[in-house]
Amino acid sequence: GAGVSQTPSNKVTEKGKYVELRCDPISGHTALYWYRQSLGQGPEFLIYFQGTGAADDSGLPNDRFFAVRPEGSVSTLKIQRTERGDSAVYLCASSPAGGSYEQYFGPGTRLTVT
Amino acid sequence: DQQVKQNSPSLSVQEGRISILNCDYTNSMFDYFLWYKKYPAEGPTFLISISSIKDKNEDGRFTVFLNKSAKHLSLHIVPSQPGDSAVYFCAAAINTDKLIFGTGTRLQVFP
Repeated sequence: GAGVSQTPSNKVTEKGKYVELRCDPISGHTALYWYRQSLGQGPEFLIYFQGTGAADDSGLPNDRFFAVRPEGSVSTLKIQRTERGDSAVYLCASSPAGGSYEQYFGPGTRLTVT
Repeated sequence: DQQVKQNSPSLSVQEGRISILNCDYTNSMFDYFLWYKKYPAEGPTFLISISSIKDKNEDGRFTVFLNKSAKHLSLHIVPSQPGDSAVYFCAAAINTDKLIFGTGTRLQVFP
């Protein structure tokens, strides 16, 4: 079956611009996660959705970052007034209902802020 | 504050030998541990996991050992194969919320 997909695969933007990153989870997965991975680091948690609502957004670094999942499937991570320090690979993962620990990751979006 | 640590950034092993990747953690509340494998330009792929109530879990060539008193876990791959060459991440969780990842260990298996 289809895995988690993310678009675009690469995004280059200028400092100060607004960007949107999209995630399509595995069909039927109710939990969706966003992580950010910087060079030489492991993925760092940003936000977790259970259905349409954000169950835990404690990893969002500041109010420039926002994510939505209006219909409980596709999610969009939105970054306002991008900064060079936002450059990283943004990973999305999904997990089935029922308390599964295993998360299934997409290929990521590489964001470069110039 | 790094709650999950992988102190070896790289490991090189000959094909056919055992690879041992290590991971330490600080939070005694973690109740589940996972290993992920990552190839360049791909997302992490789930490999194997273990609940905190167990001390060993085996799946084919992969075995994960958990030592709760030492707050240490390890992944054993035997025999190692060239296709195992990748970056391996250790991750820990409390309930089914976010995963906390280590910084990864790059494994290279040479012929």
